[in-house]
Amino acid sequence: SQTIHQWPATLVQPVGSPLSLECTVEGTSNPNLYWYRQAAGRGLQLLFYSVGIGQISSEVPQNLSASRPQDRQFILSSKKLLLSDSGFYLCAWSDRVSEQYFGPGTRLTVT
Amino acid sequence: GESVGLHLPTLSVQEGDNSIINCAYSNSASDYFIWYKQESGKGPQFIIDIRSNMDKRQGQRVTVLLNKTVKHLSLQIAATQPGDSAVYFCAERGTGFQKLVFGTGTRLLVSP
Repeated sequence: SQTIHQWPATLVQPVGSPLSLECTVEGTSNPNLYWYRQAAGRGLQLLFYSVGIGQISSEVPQNLSASRPQDRQFILSSKKLLLSDSGFYLCAWSDRVSEQYFGPGTRLTVT
Repeated sequence: GESVGLHLPTLSVQEGDNSIINCAYSNSASDYFIWYKQESGKGPQFIIDIRSNMDKRQGQRVTVLLNKTVKHLSLQIAATQPGDSAVYFCAERGTGFQKLVFGTGTRLLVSP
């Protein structure tokens, strides 16, 4: 069966520090991969999606970037965090025809 | 439509009641719709889906209704239980696209 992992689960970082969040998927190949951000009590904002290795689409201009160095690995990064980057970051995967499956999320607090 | 920047509406029900959560979607070309349940501090979980060639689909205690004429989607939960308390999101996928567009979300509060 397929599983999706995210780490770390929680993270507290100072403003201006770098960020790296990792997402990996097991049990499937060539998945679509997605990064979402969710502010407290709000809905889901799609940040990036990828349909293959090295292929990244950005949905909104922001302080973040994404990379897909391997088929089942998706990384969310920032060179310098802003206070507004705080939130709950969710990774998801899907095959070409079905629903998206979400990971457990990373709670990021920028101080 | 996009849910960014909007606070969540809340539906409060008593245990045992039936709950109906509504969603208006934006793209008349969307061919696939999903309902997700998100508990506090966790990622969204798939509940039920429906394709645009259907009007109704039933699962265990849940039913999704699709009205393409008015671009409306609803989730009905029968005999609501305290464990159903969560935020519920609808999502739509346009034809030919691989992205989901999430609705605003509705917080369901179930009182014992």
